[in-house]
Amino acid sequence: AAGVIQSPRHLIKEKRETATLKCYPIPRHDTVYWYQQGPGQDPQFLISFYEKMQSDKGSIPDRFSAQQFSDYHSELNMSSLELGDSALYFCASSLGSVSYEQYFGPGTRLTVT
Amino acid sequence: GQQLNQSPQSMFIQEGEDVSMNCTSSSIFNTWLWYKQDPGEGPVLLIALYKAGELTSNGRLTAQFGITRKDSFLNISASIPSDVGIYFCAGPPRRVVNYGQNFVFGPGTRLSVLP
Repeated sequence: AAGVIQSPRHLIKEKRETATLKCYPIPRHDTVYWYQQGPGQDPQFLISFYEKMQSDKGSIPDRFSAQQFSDYHSELNMSSLELGDSALYFCASSLGSVSYEQYFGPGTRLTVT
Repeated sequence: GQQLNQSPQSMFIQEGEDVSMNCTSSSIFNTWLWYKQDPGEGPVLLIALYKAGELTSNGRLTAQFGITRKDSFLNISASIPSDVGIYFCAGPPRRVVNYGQNFVFGPGTRLSVLP
């Protein structure tokens, strides 16, 4: 079965640079969630989109923005990167109108040097 | 802030033993989900629970939705080496107000299986 696709899988950036992470949800899923996971931490919710509209917002820094496009894929844009932004970034998708069950992608490992 | 607690934080067991772990909250949850995460990979959904008292199995895994709706339990029977990983409980922390509502995750239980 098709799963959530994230790209790139690994990304190395320098401080103050920008980064864009992409997420392609499971086909027919209408809801996308973004999480940040630091070493030894549980995933922290950043932001979610349902039917291309922002649905809920968590601990997402103002330097970050995200959107969901007409084909339901989503992008997380990160600007003025800081060392503390180094983490695993996960995207998850669900059929939000029907189920809470979120299915996670493999993640993007962002390293800021 | 953290709304879910998991215990134990870590456990070391012998292959073939049964495992029990739990997740508690100070507030009521209407849905509990259990995930397993291997290092550097995305969490994998194991079991979803939607009703107080519900008992659901997935192979050697069994999870229960606590009657108080403030806790949930996960049991693994006859553990094998591939059960190693971090087990997270998760759920939406409040009554549904919109689709795509955020999740909170517990801190996880790290399971190690000794051969």
